[in-house]
Formats: sequence, C-alpha cells, structure tokens
Amino acid sequence: EDQVTQSPEALRLQEGESSSLNCSYTVSGLRGLFWYRQDPGKGPEFLFTLYSAGEEKEKERLKATLTKKESFLHITAPKPEDSATYLCAVYGGATNKLIFGTGTLLAVQP
Amino acid sequence: NAGVTQTPKFQVLKTGQSMTLQCAQDMNHEYMSWYRQDPGMGLRLIHYSVGAGITDQGEVPNGYNVSRSTTEDFPLRLLSAAPSQTSVYFCASSYSEAGQPQHFGDGTRLSIL
Repeated sequence: EDQVTQSPEALRLQEGESSSLNCSYTVSGLRGLFWYRQDPGKGPEFLFTLYSAGEEKEKERLKATLTKKESFLHITAPKPEDSATYLCAVYGGATNKLIFGTGTLLAVQP
Repeated sequence: NAGVTQTPKFQVLKTGQSMTLQCAQDMNHEYMSWYRQDPGMGLRLIHYSVGAGITDQGEVPNGYNVSRSTTEDFPLRLLSAAPSQTSVYFCASSYSEAGQPQHFGDGTRLSIL
C-alpha cells in the first residue's frame, strides 16, 4: 500500500536553530515528491517538487532533498515567520494519485 | 489574479441538509480536485476532474457529488449532510494532472450538527 509518513509531528525551534523535517514514503514508481507549507486558516502553498533520488531544491532558508525512501526539508537559521505546518505529498504508485502525509507543525520562537 | 476561490469560508449545517461548496479558478487549469482535511489525517481526495465534462472518484467519495460544466468551476455537493462530514474542505487546481504543483484555495470550514 502506498504510504507517506512525516516526522516529527511537531517541532519547536529557537530562532537560528537549524533542523530537518522528514518525509518517508513507500510508493512503487515514484513520479514526484512535493513539499507544501500551510499557514493556519489557509490552504497549502507549493514549495518544491523533487523527481529523482539525489535531487535537491533550495528556496531562501529551505532546502529539500530526496533519496529512494525519504525526503528531508532542511531549515537553516529559521525565523519566526517560518512557523507553519509543512506537508509532504507523493505522486505515483498503483493509482497515480497524490498522497499526502499528516504534516509537521513547526514553531520557531524568537 | 485571484487563483483558486472557495465560498463560503464557514458553514454550519444540520444533519440531513444539503449544500454546495463553490470553487472557481482563473488560471485556465484543466485539473481540479476536492480534498478534505481532518485532524491527524493527511489531505484525502474526494473527487477530481481532468477537464470540463469529466469527473472521477477519489479516495473518499461517498456522500459527495461533483460536476464540471466549465473549466473554471468545480462545485462540491453534499447530498445529505452527516456529522462525519464535519471537516475543512480544500479545492485545488493544476495545469493538467495531479502530478503537478497544486494551487489550493483557502478552504471551507464545515460543521454538521
């Protein structure tokens, strides 16, 4: 069965304290892995797409990486405005549907 | 450029009532979809459409109906509301398929009493 698991469920960081969020997946025939950011009361906002193992994408303080079993979202020197829920989704598998993880709630304290 | 617009933002219904959640996009996207988001669960696909006149079921379609008469609009109908349908509903669109970055609306928060 195609599955996506995100960890940790919640993460509290001090401003400037770098860390990583994990997204592990079991999907046969991965065709894309997506990262989204979701602010309270808003819809998810697209951040990155990764297609193959070894690929990396960067945007400001965020860097996403991909292996054959998992993806990491690295946050370097976070700021309070980086506080949000970060969602991972995979596309592919038997049904070619987009499958979302449950997200990591990130809180960055000043 | 409004992107994906959902209305209403909030709604309270009684069990058994019906209603339509509206979704409109102005990006000329062919692919549109509806998700529900519940605490502790990932976004789950309800119905999707790959173009005007074409719809299909997702993971949790029971109790919901959709139609796609135009490229821009993709309404979701609750036929007879049940408390289990209390959720936050998101509409999303992309250029042509699910495997592209999705543009989401800001959701409709629905409570069924």
